[in-house]
Amino acid sequence: EIVLTQSPATLSLSPGERATLSCRASQSVSSYLAWYQQKPGQAPRLLIYDASNRATGIPARFSGSGSGTDFTLTISSLEPEDFAVYYCQQRSNWPRYTFGQGTKLEIK
Amino acid sequence: QVQLQESGPGLVKPSETLSLTCAVSGYSISSGYYWGWIRQPPGKGLEWIGSIYHSGSTYYNPSLKSRVTISVDTSKNQFSLKLSSVTAADTAVYYCATPGDLYTFDIWGQGTMVTVSS
Repeated sequence: EIVLTQSPATLSLSPGERATLSCRASQSVSSYLAWYQQKPGQAPRLLIYDASNRATGIPARFSGSGSGTDFTLTISSLEPEDFAVYYCQQRSNWPRYTFGQGTKLEIK
Repeated sequence: QVQLQESGPGLVKPSETLSLTCAVSGYSISSGYYWGWIRQPPGKGLEWIGSIYHSGSTYYNPSLKSRVTISVDTSKNQFSLKLSSVTAADTAVYYCATPGDLYTFDIWGQGTMVTVSS
């Protein structure tokens, strides 16, 4: 089973700053990695699929990069509504999936 | 557009079977797509439970495979989850979701909280 490890567990930043979140896979997942945002009491929201493709309606400040085992979600300039928990997910053995444990992005 | 709505008991006794249904609107299940279940224990991360294709082919998380059954009812345009022999560790918010035209979950239900307790 492929294990996804996200870092850091918690990231404390201020609005306007740049956020960089990491997701590392225990073996190559090619580019089959997605990123989700989850706010309290809400279902996850797909941000990025296949490593670098923004989902419909996702602002351009969100970008994804990486391939193989190392991936990054970047938020170029944090807005107040961006503070949430972020999860990565792989689908290299689709239609089976694995999620990372999450990174909490909190206001500093 | 596709919309999903979970329903089922909010409280299940230990050792019993958890049963949930996901009603699909805005799309006919028999037309295609994969349909999945994901859960989230309180304060914890997301866990994929399993997925089903409209034809009935199923794929389960190996850690839950012995206890999980996912089925589809095209006549009612819904799909269902059954999880047997539940324990307190199965207490979670259960989401239904579908990748739609993508290969990863793009459309989610609002989630339903299920508590396992006597």
